[in-house]
Amino acid sequence: DVKVTQSSRYLVKRTGEKVFLECVQDMDHENMFWYRQDPGLGLRLIYFSYDVKMKEKGDIPEGYSVSREKKERFSLILESASTNQTSMYLCASTSSEEEQYFGPGTRLTVT
Amino acid sequence: GENVEQHPSTLSVQEGDSAVIKCTYSDSASNYFPWYKQELGKRPQLIIDIRSNVGEKKDQRIAVTLNKTAKHFSLHITETQPEDSAVYFCAASTNGQNFVFGPGTRLSVLP
Repeated sequence: DVKVTQSSRYLVKRTGEKVFLECVQDMDHENMFWYRQDPGLGLRLIYFSYDVKMKEKGDIPEGYSVSREKKERFSLILESASTNQTSMYLCASTSSEEEQYFGPGTRLTVT
Repeated sequence: GENVEQHPSTLSVQEGDSAVIKCTYSDSASNYFPWYKQELGKRPQLIIDIRSNVGEKKDQRIAVTLNKTAKHFSLHITETQPEDSAVYFCAASTNGQNFVFGPGTRLSVLP
């Protein structure tokens, strides 16, 4: 079974804090993705990576950055958290067969 | 870039009836179209997918149809059961990289 894990299920941070969300997959997948999920908006792609040290902007990259130093790990960074970044964050990975496997999600609240 | 629309946003059916959810996409380069089911508090799970070289695919009570000319694809669930109640997302992707999701459909199956 593919396992995609995320470092936290729930996180509460203050405005202006630097926030790290980590995602690890154990199936040697090339592609990894970060989404945020908001009611009525579905899943919106923030960034994705198709190889170590490679990254591509998704639809809503503003206010976020990412890091992929190892194939199995993809980190999402909020340099200076703001209240409009309160959301559910989902990580996913895919092999060349294209099926996406999602992590359990991190519900981030920025106060 | 790709834009995916999904209708309806909510759908209520009687148990045993059929449910149909429709999505349209804009980028003719998209060639992979998955459908995900997300139960409350859980991660999205792939239920069926279709590639652009196929017009229809069926898996027991679930089927997906694709019309490349019109750029739309649909999810059909027959003989609905209460456990089919969830939020369903369609997505479009090019070569398994830049996934764009629809906003989701909340399906309620009434006993």
